[in-house]
Amino acid sequence: DAGVIQSPRHEVTEMGQEVTLRCKPISGHNSLFWYRQTMMRGLELLIYFNNNVPIDDSGMPEDRFSAKMPNASFSTLKIQPSEPRDSAVYFCASSSGQGARETQYFGPGTRLLVL
Amino acid sequence: AQKVTQAQTEISVVEKEDVTLDCVYETRDTTYYLFWYKQPPSGELVFLIRRNSFDEQNEISGRYSWNFQKSTSSFNFTITASQVVDSAVYFCALSDSYNFNKFYFGSGTKLNVKP
Repeated sequence: DAGVIQSPRHEVTEMGQEVTLRCKPISGHNSLFWYRQTMMRGLELLIYFNNNVPIDDSGMPEDRFSAKMPNASFSTLKIQPSEPRDSAVYFCASSSGQGARETQYFGPGTRLLVL
Repeated sequence: AQKVTQAQTEISVVEKEDVTLDCVYETRDTTYYLFWYKQPPSGELVFLIRRNSFDEQNEISGRYSWNFQKSTSSFNFTITASQVVDSAVYFCALSDSYNFNKFYFGSGTKLNVKP
């Protein structure tokens, strides 16, 4: 079975540009999570969807960040405009069931560098 | 408040040595879940184990074993006869009913296994 798929794997952009990260969860999973990993802050939950509905977006840093899940097999995380401090590895994870009770399976991550 | 502490920032061992990674958690809840993930140098997060608070049996999987002790709020991970391929950052995580929307990750322990 295919795992969580993320694209692109690497992204280099200039400050002020729009960045869109994509995620395809494991088929049949109904929970999807976006995380950001940095050396300073570790792994941070940005947003959690259940059945395509955003349930908890308290971790989204600011209005520059937005996330959507138009259907069960696709989600996007958008940063507009991007800033150098957004440089990080962004992970998407999916699980069956509700919330973080169940095991989350992570994608390979998108390494974002904003110059 | 929920919290996961991995006090060992970095551990270095020689191949074939046994090594234990410590994880201490805090929660006021009686129902909670504990997880371990491995992050090898390639960067992906790999699921290792999930344990619920009602199951205190220790678990063994090949060279890996986990010791869950509710009395000390610990969920330690032991690798027996370590190998170079075990070199990675290992994360312990907690979820509980106060906020089932998220994992509380520890800061991780970097394990270096030298040949």
